[in-house]
Amino acid sequence: AQKVTQAQTEISVVEKEDVTLDCVYETRDTTYYLFWYKQPPSGELVFLIRRNSFDEQNEISGRYSWNFQKSTSSFNFTITASQVVDSAVYFCALRGRGSTLGRLYFGRGTQLTVWP
Amino acid sequence: NAGVTQTPKFRILKIGQSMTLQCTQDMNHNYMYWYRQDPGMGLKLIYYSVGAGITDKGEVPNGYNVSRSTTEDFPLRLELAAPSQTSVYFCASSSPGTDSYEQYFGPGTRLTVT
Repeated sequence: AQKVTQAQTEISVVEKEDVTLDCVYETRDTTYYLFWYKQPPSGELVFLIRRNSFDEQNEISGRYSWNFQKSTSSFNFTITASQVVDSAVYFCALRGRGSTLGRLYFGRGTQLTVWP
Repeated sequence: NAGVTQTPKFRILKIGQSMTLQCTQDMNHNYMYWYRQDPGMGLKLIYYSVGAGITDKGEVPNGYNVSRSTTEDFPLRLELAAPSQTSVYFCASSSPGTDSYEQYFGPGTRLTVT
């Protein structure tokens, strides 16, 4: 079974604060892929990152960083020095190697609000 | 490349009406998917297709039908619309040529059934 849990439903921070969005996943596959998507108020889904199960290196992209830990089945996302434009719903998603032809399993999402 | 396009962007239906949500991709992707997103929830798979003429059910297929007559198009048909089908619908496509099957999403269709 494939499952993604995003326990934080809503997070509010003030601009320039750092914020971490948690993602915990379950899969029996030894090869799998993890994704983060951003959904701004306009509604579209914006791809942020893909990480495969063999690559546990943390990734940094500007103010965004991702911490992948297989030992705890977590793939957390940190925004440093948050900005109002970061306000959005963020989804973590999983694709196991056995997933039906590439389908993604999504968490429920975390609504991030950044106040000026 | 336009990527994945969806029409309409918004629609209001009365209970019992029917409609077709259109999805087109210009990336020559074999795989296409329909997801629905309910408030406060992640996306759930309705139907998917691995190529023209081949479709299969996902997690929540009841009340929907699909067809795939071409590689580019993957329309989703709602027959006898019900309030439970009020949702945002996303179409996506991916290529089996990449191991990660990265999915490209359309902008979504917001459907309200009253």
